[in-house]
Amino acid sequence: TQLLEQSPQFLSIQEGENLTVYCNSSSVFSSLQWYRQEPGEGPVLLVTVVTGGEVKKLKRLTFQFGDARKDSSLHITAAQPGDTGLYLCAGADAGNNRKLIWGLGTSLAVNP
Amino acid sequence: DAGVIQSPRHEVTEMGQEVTLRCKPISGHNSLFWYRQTMMRGLELLIYFNNNVPIDDSGMPEDRFSAKMPNASFSTLKIQPSEPRDSAVYFCASSPLRGATQYFGPGTRLTVL
Repeated sequence: TQLLEQSPQFLSIQEGENLTVYCNSSSVFSSLQWYRQEPGEGPVLLVTVVTGGEVKKLKRLTFQFGDARKDSSLHITAAQPGDTGLYLCAGADAGNNRKLIWGLGTSLAVNP
Repeated sequence: DAGVIQSPRHEVTEMGQEVTLRCKPISGHNSLFWYRQTMMRGLELLIYFNNNVPIDDSGMPEDRFSAKMPNASFSTLKIQPSEPRDSAVYFCASSPLRGATQYFGPGTRLTVL
C-alpha cells in the first residue's frame, strides 16, 4: 500500500517566520501535487511537480520534488496570516494518474 | 465558470436514515471522484468514474454506500442506512481526461446522530 507521510502534522508560527513542511514516501510517483485547504472549503491545487529534482516557485512558496520522486517539500518564506490552512500533498501513481495517494496534511496557523 | 457544485452543504440525520449527497462536476470534465475526509483518516477516495462509468470502488466502506453517475453532469452518493461513524465531510471532485489535477467542490458536512 502506498503511503504519503506529512510532517509536521501541526505548525503554529508568527507572521514573518519561515517554515518547511515535508511529504515523504517509500514509493515512486509520476507526479506530486500540493493542495491548500481552508476551513469549510475543498482543497485547491497549488502546484504539480513532475521531474525529479524539480523546483517550482509560487510567490513566497517554493516546492521541491526529490531526485528519486519519492518525497517533496514546501517552503514558505515570510509567512503571512493568509497562508493559514491545511496543506496536503498527493502523489500520482505511474500506472494510474487518476487515483491520487493523499497525505494527512500539515495544519498551519500563522499568527499576526 | 462554475466550479464543482455539491448539495446539501450540511446534513444532519438520525441513525438508520437514508442520506443522498449530490454533485455536479465542472462541464467538460470526464472524471468524477467521491472522497470522505475525517481528522483521523484524512482524505479517503471512495469511488471514481471515467466518462460516467465506475472505475474503482475499492474505497467504498461497505454495501451501505452506493454511487451513481447517470450522466456527465450529475452524480449521487447514497448511504442507506446511515450510522454515526459515517459522520464526515464528503467531497466531490472532477478532473479533465488529461492531467491529474482534481477540482474539489465545497463539500457536504454529514452528521449522523
